Amino acid sequence: GENVEQHPSTLSVQEGDSAVIKCTYSDSASNYFPWYKQELGKRPQLIIDIRSNVGEKKDQRIAVTLNKTAKHFSLHITETQPEDSAVYFCAAINRLNPSNFGNEKLTFGTGTRLTIIP
Amino acid sequence: NAGVTQTPKFQVLKTGQSMTLQCAQDMNHNSMYWYRQDPGMGLRLIYYSASEGTTDKGEVPNGYNVSRLNKREFSLRLESAAPSQTSVYFCASSDPSYNEQFFGPGTRLTVL
Repeated sequence: GENVEQHPSTLSVQEGDSAVIKCTYSDSASNYFPWYKQELGKRPQLIIDIRSNVGEKKDQRIAVTLNKTAKHFSLHITETQPEDSAVYFCAAINRLNPSNFGNEKLTFGTGTRLTIIP
Repeated sequence: NAGVTQTPKFQVLKTGQSMTLQCAQDMNHNSMYWYRQDPGMGLRLIYYSASEGTTDKGEVPNGYNVSRLNKREFSLRLESAAPSQTSVYFCASSDPSYNEQFFGPGTRLTVL
């Protein structure tokens, strides 16, 4: 099955600086990669995702890049703000696998706790 | 539209006790999931249900049972709780039409 590794486990950055979180995956057939943000005591929520036919996707201060050859993808947050402090999870899935039809059986990374220092 | 709801929010059990965690969604989603979240371990899938009447094991199913009561409800049962099951449990749902998996607020379970 799929295995997703995420680094670093903790990250502290000064407010206004950029933050980068990296994930690697093992199944070369994986083709969908979402990122979830979980604020303290809250539920995880999707913030951005990317499909394997795209190399980069941006949404305001957040971007995700994908390198299919190296089997890794990264989350980039620019101009960080205090409200960016949270735990971030990457995930992967092969949506073309028949066992995944009709469901989103994601494999999650172990999470990165991001702290923005004012 | 409440999204995904879970009950209870907190629970303390003694070793060997049983309980059922309840989950319901009002988004008409076909797929539902149960995860556990432990420090440093991320979200691990316990069981999932691709549609009403079907359930399948995830990554860590041992010690748990599930029931997809109808399209809205998906319950998780611990028959004989163990301290290793101390965790935060999240229910989620999704639909093939959308990319997002919607999570409930979680249940914090402590087994003494």
